[in-house]
Amino acid sequence: AQSVTQLDSHVSVSEGTPVLLRCNYSSSYSPSLFWYVQHPNKGLQLLLKYTSAATLVKGINGFEAEFKKSETSFHLTKPSAHMSDAAEYFCVVSDPYNQGGKLIFGQGTELSVKP
Amino acid sequence: KAGVTQTPRYLIKTRGQQVTLSCSPISGHRSVSWYQQTPGQGLQFLFEYFSETQRNKGNFPGRFSGRQFSNSRSEMNVSTLELGDSALYLCASGSGELFFGEGSRLTVL
Repeated sequence: AQSVTQLDSHVSVSEGTPVLLRCNYSSSYSPSLFWYVQHPNKGLQLLLKYTSAATLVKGINGFEAEFKKSETSFHLTKPSAHMSDAAEYFCVVSDPYNQGGKLIFGQGTELSVKP
Repeated sequence: KAGVTQTPRYLIKTRGQQVTLSCSPISGHRSVSWYQQTPGQGLQFLFEYFSETQRNKGNFPGRFSGRQFSNSRSEMNVSTLELGDSALYLCASGSGELFFGEGSRLTVL
């Protein structure tokens, strides 16, 4: 069975400082991993995805994530937070042998950015 | 290219009623998935349709059902509504990498 654990339910940073959102996964297979972002009253937007190519994945809006198999982690980082980054972030895993629409979501991390 | 469109965006129902939500996927996408989002349970997979056939199903009671039409548009139906069905229902199109609509927010009174 696959699962995802987001280690922080809430993270608060100051504008201009680095962002780190932590995610650990559990999978019987080599997984596909994603980070999605959800702004208030909006749907989910894909930030980036890992599908067994490069372990360091670059996404939109300056975000990146590193896949570490030995640590079963897929943490999301950004060098410098912007006010517009305030949102909820979801780490997501899917079965790479099931390329359908069934994704397993973490519980989410709410990111606050202080001016 | 137009994104995923969900209607209605907001609706209020009372216990015991039923509701139908609609989703139009991105043009060319044949797979449509549905998710329920609540503060307590987070995002949970309901079901997925591909070429008018249910391909995957989550762990929800039979009151939750769906279908897909030949043009890939999908509907989901919830019968005999309960208070706990109040949620944001998200539709997504695509396979592997999903593209989400803005959701239909259902309130059950």
